[in-house]
Amino acid sequence: DAGVTQSPTHLIKTRGQHVTLRCSPISGHKSVSWYQQVLGQGPQFIFQYYEKEERGRGNFPDRFSARQFPNYSSELNVNALLLGDSALYLCASSLGSYSSSYNEQFFGPGTRLTVL
Amino acid sequence: TQLLEQSPQFLSIQEGENLTVYCNSSSVFSSLQWYRQEPGEGPVLLVTVVTGGEVKKLKRLTFQFGDARKDSSLHITAAQPGDTGLYLCAGGPGNQFYFGTGTSLTVIP
Repeated sequence: DAGVTQSPTHLIKTRGQHVTLRCSPISGHKSVSWYQQVLGQGPQFIFQYYEKEERGRGNFPDRFSARQFPNYSSELNVNALLLGDSALYLCASSLGSYSSSYNEQFFGPGTRLTVL
Repeated sequence: TQLLEQSPQFLSIQEGENLTVYCNSSSVFSSLQWYRQEPGEGPVLLVTVVTGGEVKKLKRLTFQFGDARKDSSLHITAAQPGDTGLYLCAGGPGNQFYFGTGTSLTVIP
């Protein structure tokens, strides 16, 4: 079975541009979460989507948005890019949402975003 | 402010040595998870601890959840070069999920 897939693997943008990152969860998983990982730090929670609805949001500005599609894939959008948005963006899928007890998350390889 | 603090941040040891990584919080967690991440890859789940005082073993790795469910530790016995990586604890109160600050382990052959 395919694991979590993310595209693109690498991306270079300039300040002020916007970017769309994509994630396909493991087949059968209904929850997708997005994380930002700056070099040398642990991942920071951005969003969780479950059954196409936002179920959780981290401390990120409104420039960050996401959505989940009927096939449970997801997109993360970032507008008005800043240099500080340069990071590895990780997507994780799980069967259920956090609120229904712990659910093992499976992570994709990430998208490396560089903002110049 | 980090909800989960890990120590040490960096650890470099010789093959065969033992080590312990700590994960601490002022908040109570219903469960904590430990992940290992290698460069260029996403984190991989090692274990989930749920019950206060719980101890779980995974080969040479021993995980413990504090009685008050605010802290956890990871002990590695006879470390090997293949153990090199970034170790992360993580947990979530409800609809958010937090990762610790991470411990970067290097095992020197």
